[in-house]
Amino acid sequence: SQQGEEDPQALSIQEGENATMNCSYKTSINNLQWYRQNSGRGLVHLILIRSNEREKHSGRLRVTLDTSKKSSSLLITASRAADTASYFCATGSNAGNMLTFGGGTRLMVKP
Amino acid sequence: EPEVTQTPSHQVTQMGQEVILRCVPISNHLYFYWYRQILGQKVEFLVSFYNNEISEKSEIFDDQFSVERPDGSNFTLKIRSTKLEDSAMYFCASRGLANNYGYTFGSGTRLTVV
Repeated sequence: SQQGEEDPQALSIQEGENATMNCSYKTSINNLQWYRQNSGRGLVHLILIRSNEREKHSGRLRVTLDTSKKSSSLLITASRAADTASYFCATGSNAGNMLTFGGGTRLMVKP
Repeated sequence: EPEVTQTPSHQVTQMGQEVILRCVPISNHLYFYWYRQILGQKVEFLVSFYNNEISEKSEIFDDQFSVERPDGSNFTLKIRSTKLEDSAMYFCASRGLANNYGYTFGSGTRLTVV
């Protein structure tokens, strides 16, 4: 797989359930970021985790990073219909330069 | 909350024509980027810009592409002679020097080459 591949590609859950999305990458990273994109819209930065961090929280979001497995997960707890969007992981190899995006997970939260 | 502003939101152009996509990054940010997303595909890096020069560019960013920061606020992407395969959503992004490396993306310009 390529750098920054999300799994699953699509996820459909009921409102109130938790949603877990995974991301795998291949090369060394400085940081890993998660973004959200509503259909046809821009990318919204959700959370950043540095390579020396293992877990980070922001509101209903929880991100983990396992550099030994080159993988990360994004957990959205108590999902809402408004969480329906595509979620992308992006890896940064060094400060200030390019992000490499994965293909995204399309999350649908049914009311 | 500060925003990255992109104009136009949608541009239709004839193949072979030049287009300029415009972006106003967040005022105190120092790093500027262009990314693109072909419909149904991944977001791809094009170019990064810092201290008035290109700091990194991808293979996509060939001689047909150029970037400019003509004044203290605008950041533009020019495609000299558009091709059908340039049709995509183009995103501008910026970030500051803080330890948080999260980018702020604009809402994008949808470029359609016909």
